[in-house]
Amino acid sequence: DAGVIQSPRHEVTEMGQEVTLRCKPISGHDYLFWYRQTMMRGLELLIYFNNNVPIDDSGMPEDRFSAKMPNASFSTLKIQPSEPRDSAVYFCASIRRQGHGYTFGSGTRLTVV
Amino acid sequence: QQPVQSPQAVILREGEDAVINCSSSKALYSVHWYRQKHGEAPVFLMILLKGGEQKGHDKISASFNEKKQQSSLYLTASQLSYSGTYFCGTALTQGGSEKLVFGKGMKLTVNP
Repeated sequence: DAGVIQSPRHEVTEMGQEVTLRCKPISGHDYLFWYRQTMMRGLELLIYFNNNVPIDDSGMPEDRFSAKMPNASFSTLKIQPSEPRDSAVYFCASIRRQGHGYTFGSGTRLTVV
Repeated sequence: QQPVQSPQAVILREGEDAVINCSSSKALYSVHWYRQKHGEAPVFLMILLKGGEQKGHDKISASFNEKKQQSSLYLTASQLSYSGTYFCGTALTQGGSEKLVFGKGMKLTVNP
């Protein structure tokens, strides 16, 4: 089991550019979550999917953020246009079903300059 | 809605014990505990479900008092490898147990 796989590990981009973060959950896991981590706000839930369907996107900060899960093995988080305040570590996590611990990916460290 | 963790930071010597608390202003269905080392992803330690249970994992154990809406993580005879930031994640309803809200973490440093 390769775990949750995220790419890229690091991304540096200029303000205004589009950024796409990618996640491959563990096979057979029905839930996928996107979290953002900053020193000030800690771990914030952005959106989560169940069986590829977005269930709760109330944590998505603005319309500049969008997420998709076209199939059970792939999800993307897109920021367009990016701003310096979007700089953070973005984690993807998955679980098989309710009542199980999350498995987090290694994260993508995003820096917007 | 974010749970409150205390203390915010602790420095221990190897072999000493520590307790980390997690409190919520709302009724909880479950509490998760995770440890995150610098530059790495959070790693799952244990989950406690509604019912006031207690769990143990090696020298790390936890309790969940649903009436008080609190959970505590107990680290016994700490080891150097216990250093890191500990997060509790809380779920408010059974249906929402897959949606965790995390506290801001407690940074633990274990020195030789």
